[in-house]
Amino acid sequence: SAVISQKPSRDICQRGTSLTIQCQVDSQVTMMFWYRQQPGQSLTLIATANQGSEATYESGFVIDKFPISRPNLTFSTLTVSNMSPEDSSIYLCSVEQENRSYTGELFFGEGSRLTVL
Amino acid sequence: KNEVEQSPQNLTAQEGEFITINCSYSVGISALHWLQQHPGGGIVSLFMLSSGKKKHGRLIATINIQEKHSSLHITASHPRDSAVYICAVRPFTGNQFYFGTGTSLTVIP
Repeated sequence: SAVISQKPSRDICQRGTSLTIQCQVDSQVTMMFWYRQQPGQSLTLIATANQGSEATYESGFVIDKFPISRPNLTFSTLTVSNMSPEDSSIYLCSVEQENRSYTGELFFGEGSRLTVL
Repeated sequence: KNEVEQSPQNLTAQEGEFITINCSYSVGISALHWLQQHPGGGIVSLFMLSSGKKKHGRLIATINIQEKHSSLHITASHPRDSAVYICAVRPFTGNQFYFGTGTSLTVIP
């Protein structure tokens, strides 16, 4: 299994500021996923963070707004830039751990609940 | 159109009741996951299924690949089972998972 430490767990931010969320995994993983979960909604994939290459962003998400770093196989950061109240969400990082049957078990961080005033 | 549909959206049960949450999906998948999200926001994986049935304690998950349907059952429900239960599928192609909108369960003592 994988244990993911995510921080901050919550924060209240002012409009126009930026916040960086960190995820540390206790084992090496190939891909890390960053999700946003807006109030009452399901998870939406922001991007996939790959070690040694640029993150792959989903439609509707851009690097300038959500820059991602992946310096090694156990760590990643997501920055929410120039925040507005519409960015108020829970942000989660996730990994899929490969096992012998190929389909991997999913592990999630504890989530970062952001409120933008 | 959502590739994953869950029902019901909200569910209130008395302690001890048997609970069923359903998940239907429209794509070919290599695996289906049942996840539990507590009010703080953290998500825990309950089951990963590619066929048949799995049981962990009071939780049972089944999947019918031909019908593209899965169910999560909770026997002898308890207030600590109160959470949002999310169904997620991994399609055969691509790295992205598709998530249901979740079922919010409240178990009343």
